[in-house]
Amino acid sequence: DVKVTQSSRYLVKRTGEKVFLECVQDMDHENMFWYRQDPGLGLRLIYFSYDVKMKEKGDIPEGYSVSREKKERFSLILESASTNQTSMYLCASSLAPQRALNEKLFFGSGTQLSVL
Amino acid sequence: QQQVKQSPQSLIVQKGGISIINCAYENTAFDYFPWYQQFPGKGPALLIAIRPDVSEKKEGRFTISFNKSAKQFSLHIMDSQPGDSATYFCAAGYAGGTSYGKLTFGQGTILTVHP
Repeated sequence: DVKVTQSSRYLVKRTGEKVFLECVQDMDHENMFWYRQDPGLGLRLIYFSYDVKMKEKGDIPEGYSVSREKKERFSLILESASTNQTSMYLCASSLAPQRALNEKLFFGSGTQLSVL
Repeated sequence: QQQVKQSPQSLIVQKGGISIINCAYENTAFDYFPWYQQFPGKGPALLIAIRPDVSEKKEGRFTISFNKSAKQFSLHIMDSQPGDSATYFCAAGYAGGTSYGKLTFGQGTILTVHP
């Protein structure tokens, strides 16, 4: 089974802190994604990556950056955390289209971030 | 802007009943429409998906109905069970190309099935 592991289940940070959220997948997937989940808003795409050192902005990239130095690891960075970034953050991965039978995303269990 | 609108926000059904969740999309370039199921404390997991070349897809008790002209699709859960209690998300995306895998999700529906 594919496993997408997010480093922390719960995280509490102060306003202005630099925050790193880590995600690791163990199935050699090319594509990795960061979503945030908020009640009543569903999941919104922050950033995604189709290859090592490659990144593209999603729908809500403001206040975030990402890093993908290795294929299996995709990090989300909050340069200066703010209270409106309190949310559930979900990492996902998938195969590239030329290797995939379908477009299935595999999600981690999420990191609940609270910014005080 | 929200390109995929989902309703209802919450749904309560008796065991054995039919649960129906509806979604509407705006972007006619979407060609892949999955439904994800999320249990508390877990990430979403793919439940069932459809492409616009068919109007219906059934997997066990779960059926997607798709209306391309109306830009709407829905999830039907037959013989709903308490174990189906979860949050359900519809989504829309692209089956290939440079936006492959990039999904736009609906707002989610919290389904509660009473025994």
